[in-house]
Amino acid sequence: DAGVIQSPRHEVTEMGQEVTLRCKPISGHNSLFWYRQTMMRGLELLIYFNNNVPIDDSGMPEDRFSAKMPNASFSTLKIQPSEPRDSAVYFCASTVAGSYNEQFFGPGTRLTVL
Amino acid sequence: AQTVTQSQPEMSVQEAETVTLSCTYDTSESDYYLFWYKQPPSRQMILVIRQEAYKQQNATENRFSVNFQKAAKSFSLKISDSQLGDAAMYFCAYRSGQGAQKLVFGQGTRLTINP
Repeated sequence: DAGVIQSPRHEVTEMGQEVTLRCKPISGHNSLFWYRQTMMRGLELLIYFNNNVPIDDSGMPEDRFSAKMPNASFSTLKIQPSEPRDSAVYFCASTVAGSYNEQFFGPGTRLTVL
Repeated sequence: AQTVTQSQPEMSVQEAETVTLSCTYDTSESDYYLFWYKQPPSRQMILVIRQEAYKQQNATENRFSVNFQKAAKSFSLKISDSQLGDAAMYFCAYRSGQGAQKLVFGQGTRLTINP
């Protein structure tokens, strides 16, 4: 079975450009999470969805970040305009909603903003 | 808000030996779940082991086991018979048993295995 799919795996862009990260959760999973990993802040939740509805976006750093989940099999995280401090690894994870269920992580997107 | 603390930025162990990674957490909740994730150089996050707070018995998964001390809010990971493939970053994580499903991670411990 395919796991969580993220694209691109690597992204290099220049400051001010728009960046779109994509995620396809595991089929049948109804919760989707976006995490960011940096050296300074470690792994932190940006936003998560249940049944395509955003539940907690308190981790979204500022208005430059937006996330959507138009259907159960696709989500995007957009940064516009991008800044060098946005450089990080962005992970998408999915699970079946429920307290005990494991979150399955995608391979991550390494974003570098020059 | 819940917090997770891993006080050991780096640890090393000889191959075939046993190593224990420490994790403490802070919460006012009684219902929650704890996890250890492994992140090898490939950066893939892999679940190693999990523990429900309501269970007194410590979880075990082959060479991996935990020492869960609820009163002390401590959740350490023991790796027995360490193998070269165990070299990775290890993250302790907390999840509430009610409401928010997000994982709250510690800062991680980098484990090196010496041959």
